This record gives sequence, C-alpha cells and structure tokens, in this order.
Amino acid sequence: EAQVTQNPRYLITVTGKKLTVTCSQNMNHEYMSWYRQDPGLGLRQIYYSMNVEVTDKGDVPEGYKVSRKEKRNFPLILESPSPNQTSLYFCASSIDRDRARNTQYFGPGTRLTVL
Amino acid sequence: SQKIEQNSEALNIQEGKTATLTCNYTNYSPAYLQWYRQDPGRGPVFLLLIRENEKEKRKERLKVTFDTTLKQSLFHITASQPADSATYLCALPTGGSYIPTFGRGTSLIVHP
Repeated sequence: EAQVTQNPRYLITVTGKKLTVTCSQNMNHEYMSWYRQDPGLGLRQIYYSMNVEVTDKGDVPEGYKVSRKEKRNFPLILESPSPNQTSLYFCASSIDRDRARNTQYFGPGTRLTVL
Repeated sequence: SQKIEQNSEALNIQEGKTATLTCNYTNYSPAYLQWYRQDPGRGPVFLLLIRENEKEKRKERLKVTFDTTLKQSLFHITASQPADSATYLCALPTGGSYIPTFGRGTSLIVHP
C-alpha cells in the first residue's frame, strides 16, 4: 500500500531533550517536506527536500533540522525542543517530476508536546 | 506576497444541501489549484485538481470551479452528508515554486 509513515505518532518530552521524528514513504517520491499545524495558523512548511542530499528551508525552519540521506526517509530533528514547538507535525511527499499536479501525500501526523 | 484566503468561519449546512467553499488568492497566476480534505488530527487527503485552462472539474458529488480573472476557486459538495463534515483546504503553487502552498482551510459541518 502506498503510504507515508511517521513515528512516533504521539510524543511528550521536556525542554532541551533532543528528539527525532521519522518519516518514510514507499512511493519513490523525490520531493518530501515537513509541516507543522497550529490552530488558526494552518499548515506551515518547515523544511523540504527536492531529492537526496538536497534540502531547503520552508517558512518556519527555526529550531529544526532535517536530513535526506536516502530517498525514502526524511527525519525531522529538534536539537533542543522548546514549548513553542508543541504542535501537530505532518510529513508529506510528492512526485517532483509531475509538475502539473504535485499532489501531496501526507503522513498520519505526530502530535508533539514539549513541557 | 502571495496570500491564500479561505473563510475562517465554519460553514454549517443541513444534510442534502449543497455546500460551497471559497478560496481566493492574490498576487500570483497559479498553473493549478488543488483541494484537500482534512479530518481532525489526521493528514490532509487530496480530492481534486483543476488547471488554469479549466473552468470546472467534477468528481462524483464534488465540483470545483476556477476563475483566474477573479483569482478564485469555488468548491461545491452536492447532496451533502454528515460524513462530509471536515476541514477543506485549498492549495496552489506560489512564488517560483510549483509545490503548492496551503490555505488555512474552512471547516464544514453538515447537520443531519
């Protein structure tokens, strides 16, 4: 089944404790991205990757890191989480080559709480 | 800068009626516009895409229109059902990218 998976789905942590949220897709998509979603603010892009070893900042990259060492995986790293990073996080992927469509396929979400 | 506007107020309608949601945008001429559905706590799911040279697109009970002069897309659900209750997001490529940017979405509530 074609899908984007994220782990963990729920995470409660404390300020300053490094964490990684994993994202994996099995559709051989070139493009992957991370969003955070907060009430009243909608989906905001954190980072994106056009292909392996190619990443770039989205609209709200501060406090986050990403890497793209393999095509299927795009982990999101919070080196020193703070309470303002409490949010619902989504990973998404799309076929970069299909420029006329670029349908985004989203993961199930990770609800992060930073105390 | 590019703005994508969707009504932030929830749309409440009665079952069986047609729901109409609006997406307005400024400062850009997108090659396409997409609509997604999002249920609470879950990731958005793609519904429909309409290209700039298309006026209307249909899929089952869904219909999307795209007016590039008004810079507006309308999303219609006919014969609405309580199961249609969700948040609907429009998305379109902005700036120099062909990757879509999302609007904040409009919540639709269909009452039985």
